[in-house]
Amino acid sequence: QQQVKQSPQSLIVQKGGISIINCAYENTAFDYFPWYQQFPGKGPALLIAIRPDVSEKKEGRFTISFNKSAKQFSLHIMDSQPGDSATYFCAASADYGQNFVFGPGTRLSVLP
Amino acid sequence: DAGITQSPRHKVTETGTPVTLRCHQTENHRYMYWYRQDPGHGLRLIHYSYGVKDTDKGEVSDGYSVSRSKTEDFLLTLESATSSQTSVYFCAISEQGSNYGYTFGSGTRLTVV
Repeated sequence: QQQVKQSPQSLIVQKGGISIINCAYENTAFDYFPWYQQFPGKGPALLIAIRPDVSEKKEGRFTISFNKSAKQFSLHIMDSQPGDSATYFCAASADYGQNFVFGPGTRLSVLP
Repeated sequence: DAGITQSPRHKVTETGTPVTLRCHQTENHRYMYWYRQDPGHGLRLIHYSYGVKDTDKGEVSDGYSVSRSKTEDFLLTLESATSSQTSVYFCAISEQGSNYGYTFGSGTRLTVV
């Protein structure tokens, strides 16, 4: 029940396209859902996060869509750029910022 | 990464030897975590700390121990390293109620030969 599933495992998108990464969870106690971006040789960095009281959050080209009833959330990257090429992790916490459970990651490649 | 430093950045060690990884923070955050990252498994929690001398196990704690004698330092020890512990280890910090989730260090790449 603590698991967070993430798909796809890898994703290739053309420059300017939309990248979509999906995550699903079972634990209804989760109340904070961040996305992390990781470049090779670096630690993950917080990209954007959402609480379950809203269905969507947008920051620049990055949008989280949240479906509480389906227990799913997704990351949309609009106008994808080669600089967005990285590994993306979804995560969930039941302690508002503590003890996160992470998805297995999606490796995104944006072709120029 | 600002405020959090891991050392060493790379280490090669032999099977059966003890290894200690260090995480140092300057943010005065209460919570500190050790994760390991392996292909196909994402980030898995090894141990975490919620204060000085207060630690608890994560999902993959076997073969690892931790200590936190000061707010700023969190040590991860492999008592007798095995090849299965070859991984990239990340330390993270957070503060309760924070809107910023975790701040991760840059990682330590450990190879056990």
